[in-house]
Amino acid sequence: DAKTTQPTSMDCAEGRAANLPCNHSTISGNEYVYWYRQIHSQGPQYIIHGLKNNETNEMASLIITEDRKSSTLILPHATLRDTAVYYCIVRGLQGGSEKLVFGKGTKLTVNP
Amino acid sequence: NAGVTQTPKFQVLKTGQSMTLQCAQDMNHEYMSWYRQDPGMGLRLIHYSVGAGITDQGEVPNGYNVSRSTTEDFPLRLLSAAPSQTSVYFCASNRGGPYEQYFGPGTRLTVT
Repeated sequence: DAKTTQPTSMDCAEGRAANLPCNHSTISGNEYVYWYRQIHSQGPQYIIHGLKNNETNEMASLIITEDRKSSTLILPHATLRDTAVYYCIVRGLQGGSEKLVFGKGTKLTVNP
Repeated sequence: NAGVTQTPKFQVLKTGQSMTLQCAQDMNHEYMSWYRQDPGMGLRLIHYSVGAGITDQGEVPNGYNVSRSTTEDFPLRLLSAAPSQTSVYFCASNRGGPYEQYFGPGTRLTVT
């Protein structure tokens, strides 16, 4: 699976959009981009995933560049409860759904 | 649905003791996994299973055994606990393909 690079930490003001970048320059054509987050010491929580097109759900939006070498997770109106570590993970479909490779992620702090 | 449940929530062991961490899911997922998370680190895969009777090793399998006799349960056994196994353990399940993993709340294990 392709390796990802994320900033170690980011800050965001409450109510503003939080834009979390992820580089995955070695991504291959059949690999998806996934985002999970971990609030405090809880189990990771799935946020969103995509292959080529931009995706949106009730939690966030995922913007994937046309060359697929990077992506951005957007939390449109961050709240204090969005303070968490956010993980960007790239993996293929063939043998991998049961084994995610987590990096250190981005520690997002939402400030009042 | 209860989702993914783990017991116990906390456990303290002495070096050399053995124990089993329990994991169960009620979503009829074929795929289940065990991860460990050390302070300041991302999750690392210990063992995983792609169905009842089928298990395989992940990144850090030494000192741990697993079995999968039913779809619902995936226990993790520590054979002879060591201080290096002090960690938070997360169990996860998913239905394969591009679908997300669901994580349990974790078991915090201390080995003295």
